[in-house]
Amino acid sequence: EAGVAQSPRYKIIEKRQSVAFWCNPISGHATLYWYQQILGQGPKLLIQFQNNGVVDDSQLPKDRFSAERLKGVDSTLKIQPAKLEDSAVYLCASSLWRASGSDTQYFGPGTRLTVL
Amino acid sequence: AQRVTQPEKLLSVFKGAPVELKCNYSYSGSPELFWYVQYSRQRLQLLLRHISRESIKGFTADLNKGETSFHLKKPFAQEEDSAMYYCALSLRGTSYDKVIFGPGTSLSVIP
Repeated sequence: EAGVAQSPRYKIIEKRQSVAFWCNPISGHATLYWYQQILGQGPKLLIQFQNNGVVDDSQLPKDRFSAERLKGVDSTLKIQPAKLEDSAVYLCASSLWRASGSDTQYFGPGTRLTVL
Repeated sequence: AQRVTQPEKLLSVFKGAPVELKCNYSYSGSPELFWYVQYSRQRLQLLLRHISRESIKGFTADLNKGETSFHLKKPFAQEEDSAMYYCALSLRGTSYDKVIFGPGTSLSVIP
């Protein structure tokens, strides 16, 4: 089966500019996650969607970050305006929802963002 | 608050030596724990999950609720085991799961 797709793979912008990332999850996966992974740290959840509704955005810096999930499938994450500290790899992941227990997350290749 | 700790940022072992990557968690409920691995230039992927109680690529992990640990072990390390390893805790909700990742341990297997 096709995996989680993300684009672009790399992005370099200057501070105060805007940037958007796109994610296409595995077909049929109800749950979609966006993570921020700063160099040397583990993935930090930014936002989690269940179908097209947000179930957790407690760590999303809402003054500059926004995300949406179109029709419960693709998702975009936007940063406007970017700051130097936003330099990181942005990971998208998806999973099924199982009543019997937590399911595996499948990760995309990530987008490496550099803010100059 | 729920959290996952991995005390070793870097771990180096010789090929053929046993390896143990430590993971501790804090959570008062019933945990579901995972180990994810990221090989060089590859995606983050699941290695194993505690409820499966299986061995993957020679790795095993046992959940110790008394010590709140989920250490990853392999009796004989191989060069291809060199990678970044993340322990993750899944908090089960009524309609969705929340996953918390540890900071990761970089394993280097010396030939």
